[in-house]
Amino acid sequence: GAGVSQSPRYKVAKRGQDVALRCDPISGHVSLFWYQQALGQGPEFLTYFQNEAQLDKSGLPSDRFFAERPEGSVSTLKIQRTQQEDSAVYLCASSLLFDRGEQYFGPGTRLTVT
Amino acid sequence: DAKTTQPPSMDCAEGRAANLPCNHSTISGNEYVYWYRQIHSQGPQYIIHGLKNNETNEMASLIITEDRKSSTLILPHATLRDTAVYYCIVNGRDDKIIFGKGTRLHILP
Repeated sequence: GAGVSQSPRYKVAKRGQDVALRCDPISGHVSLFWYQQALGQGPEFLTYFQNEAQLDKSGLPSDRFFAERPEGSVSTLKIQRTQQEDSAVYLCASSLLFDRGEQYFGPGTRLTVT
Repeated sequence: DAKTTQPPSMDCAEGRAANLPCNHSTISGNEYVYWYRQIHSQGPQYIIHGLKNNETNEMASLIITEDRKSSTLILPHATLRDTAVYYCIVNGRDDKIIFGKGTRLHILP
């Protein structure tokens, strides 16, 4: 079946621009996660949704980062006033129930801020 | 910080079993051991997880020591497509997962 999809796959933004990254989780998956992965590092947790409720946003690095999942399916990660240090791959994952351990990841969006 | 320790890299000959170790000496009773891998330019892929007992699925086997302080992921017949970074993660099912640096596995032809 269809896996997690993310769009765009690549995004180049000029410093100061706002960007929006989309995640389509596996249909029926209750939980959705966002991660940031810098070059050569493991993914780092950003935020977690259970249906439409954002239950954990402890990993968001600043108030320029905002995520939403208004209808409990598709999610958008928005970064305002992008900075060069925001350049990374942004990964989305979903899981069927409330088990945070068994997650299914999308291919990621590579964001480059120039 | 990650609760696990893994070697930074390993080599394995194609067709042989790849045995990837992981130390998690501070694991608590309700925490599971999860393994993921990440092939270059792809998102991480869930492989397997376990609590106490050894587990096997179509991808791999997971051997957890009796004291649960370490585990080994076994890929029984490694192929070139198994070249990836392998992450060993310990977490309670309600916790966010924390990826460490993982083990970079090179499969040699």
